[in-house]
Amino acid sequence: DTEVTQTPKHLVMGMTNKKSLKCEQHMGHRAMYWYKQKAKKPPELMFVYSYEKLSINESVPSRFSPECPNSSLLNLHLHALQPEDSALYLCASSSGIFDRGQITGELFFGEGSRLTVL
Amino acid sequence: GEDVEQSLFLSVREGDSSVINCTYTDSSSTYLYWYKQEPGAGLQLLTYIFSNMDMKQDQRLTVLLNKKDKHLSLRIADTQTGDSAIYFCAERTGGSYIPTFGRGTSLIVHP
Repeated sequence: DTEVTQTPKHLVMGMTNKKSLKCEQHMGHRAMYWYKQKAKKPPELMFVYSYEKLSINESVPSRFSPECPNSSLLNLHLHALQPEDSALYLCASSSGIFDRGQITGELFFGEGSRLTVL
Repeated sequence: GEDVEQSLFLSVREGDSSVINCTYTDSSSTYLYWYKQEPGAGLQLLTYIFSNMDMKQDQRLTVLLNKKDKHLSLRIADTQTGDSAIYFCAERTGGSYIPTFGRGTSLIVHP
């Protein structure tokens, strides 16, 4: 199984709503990522979890709150979002295994969750 | 800092070869990747090459790496309409697990 599964595929929410995006992988990967992607742009890194601990937060506003309940799951909790937060949110995973100081493994991406904030 | 550059658009006829180019600035880049993104979908890893290789071939895909010029290319032989997508070049140094992405090249294949 080389899949990263994201739900929901589409989400429409108002600025006062609270919602969550979910991501799951069963490849035994120990690094998981959230990216934000606007149309015709490359993905922008938001958060990285390594061995279920938050290792990178790219100065993301607190209205985005990540959570890694276990090594297979990654959530992104959304609260009080703005219309400019509308984007495709991509989850990815990689093996994240150190081998003589090197990280091996490419990123495997999910299909994304298309978020629209009204 | 790290930088990955790609041209934004490429248009080819069906059946022709496509060559998508990428340049990077970090001389310590160890892994170089090509990802494909179809409309409304996530990024799909197409292939990758280690910096100690010059070339890698996988069916219709050929990756060439010129480490001296920090230039990477992806050649797609016999391009089909299903190859129409955005292609992202990405690089990563050995000490990091965060790749740096280029802006993406939009490949349009005409019948």
